[in-house]
Amino acid sequence: GDSVTQMEGPVTLSEEAFLTINCTYTATGYPSLFWYVQYPGEGLQLLLKATKADDKGSNKGFEATYRKETTSFHLEKGSVQVSDSAVYFCALSEEKAAGNKLTFGGGTRVLVKP
Amino acid sequence: DAEITQSPRHKITETGRQVTLACHQTWNHNNMFWYRQDLGHGLRLIHYSYGVQDTNKGEVSDGYSVSRSNTEDLPLTLESAASSQTSVYFCASSEQGLAGRNEQFFGPGTRLTVL
Repeated sequence: GDSVTQMEGPVTLSEEAFLTINCTYTATGYPSLFWYVQYPGEGLQLLLKATKADDKGSNKGFEATYRKETTSFHLEKGSVQVSDSAVYFCALSEEKAAGNKLTFGGGTRVLVKP
Repeated sequence: DAEITQSPRHKITETGRQVTLACHQTWNHNNMFWYRQDLGHGLRLIHYSYGVQDTNKGEVSDGYSVSRSNTEDLPLTLESAASSQTSVYFCASSEQGLAGRNEQFFGPGTRLTVL
């Protein structure tokens, strides 16, 4: 079945540091890939997505490129802020006839210190 | 503004009791989902629905049930609560369409403790 593996946290960084969170996936077809972010005490919200190979998703300074050859979708940000402290989830959704179930990775907690 | 709400936000119950968690969305989305979030497991799909009268089992459906009588609501019922069901529960909804193309919108979550 489908699965998503992402690096375990917590990841602790200083403000303005470079952030990378690794994500790899296993899927039978051609999935769409997502990064969701969960701020403390809140539900998840979509950060960015990519729907086909070589697509780059970007939002709020974060980027991730859909790499089919390495089955990866690593999240990067060049200069993090304290407000980026959150839990980040990589997820995929298979291309099927109906619906869009998501398969999530385990989440990576990021803590940015001033 | 359209939104998705969950109630209650916190619930403490005892082993063996029946518990229902409510989820209500005003997006008019066809698709609705229930997940549980546990440390080390990320979010796991419990049940989902692609429309009124449609329900499907997810990855961890044992001990849970849902029913979809209208577009807006997908209540989640724990038939006989167990301590293993202590978790944070999230409801989500999305438009119907090409798989993977539509964002899921999440509710704020319900923290359930089973004693």
